[in-house]
Amino acid sequence: EAGVAQSPRYKIIEKRQSVAFWCNPISGHATLYWYQQILGQGPKLLIQFQNNGVVDDSQLPKDRFSAERLKGVDSTLKIQPAKLEDSAVYLCASSLARSNEKLFFGSGTQLSVL
Amino acid sequence: AQKVTQAQTEISVVEKEDVTLDCVYETRDTTYYLFWYKQPPSGELVFLIRRNSFDEQNEISGRYSWNFQKSTSSFNFTITASQVVDSAVYFCALSGVGTSGSRLTFGEGTQLTVNP
Repeated sequence: EAGVAQSPRYKIIEKRQSVAFWCNPISGHATLYWYQQILGQGPKLLIQFQNNGVVDDSQLPKDRFSAERLKGVDSTLKIQPAKLEDSAVYLCASSLARSNEKLFFGSGTQLSVL
Repeated sequence: AQKVTQAQTEISVVEKEDVTLDCVYETRDTTYYLFWYKQPPSGELVFLIRRNSFDEQNEISGRYSWNFQKSTSSFNFTITASQVVDSAVYFCALSGVGTSGSRLTFGEGTQLTVNP
């Protein structure tokens, strides 16, 4: 069974530039999550989708971050404009059910904002 | 608000030693779920275990065991006879059902290094 796919693996940009990350969840998983993991910290949820609808985006900095999940399958997360403090690993995860189930994570995209 | 505390930032042991990773949680929900995830250097978090708040039975899976105590709000993880491949960051996490919602809240993680 294929796992959660993410790209790119690494990205380096300058502050104020824009960047986008892509995620393809495990086939059949209705729920998709984007997490931000700053170095030395635990992952923090940015946004949760159930199919193509948003379930929880309360921790997403909406002035600069946006995400979409068209057709309820793959998803993109965008940052525009990026700030230095956005340097982190962005993890995508998916699960079968909406809540309290185990999550399957991708390898993440490591973003460095210079 | 939900909170997970992993007081041990880093632990270093020698192979074959037993090691316990501590996890203390806070929640106002009566129904909640506790998790442990492993993050090896590759970066991908790997699910290890999920327990619900009504099941306090300890669990053993090979060299791994978990001790859940509601009285002390703790969900500790023990690796018996550690191996070099156990070296990773381990995260304890909590999700609720009530007012806190089902958002998974992670602790800060414990970096475990097993030396040969």
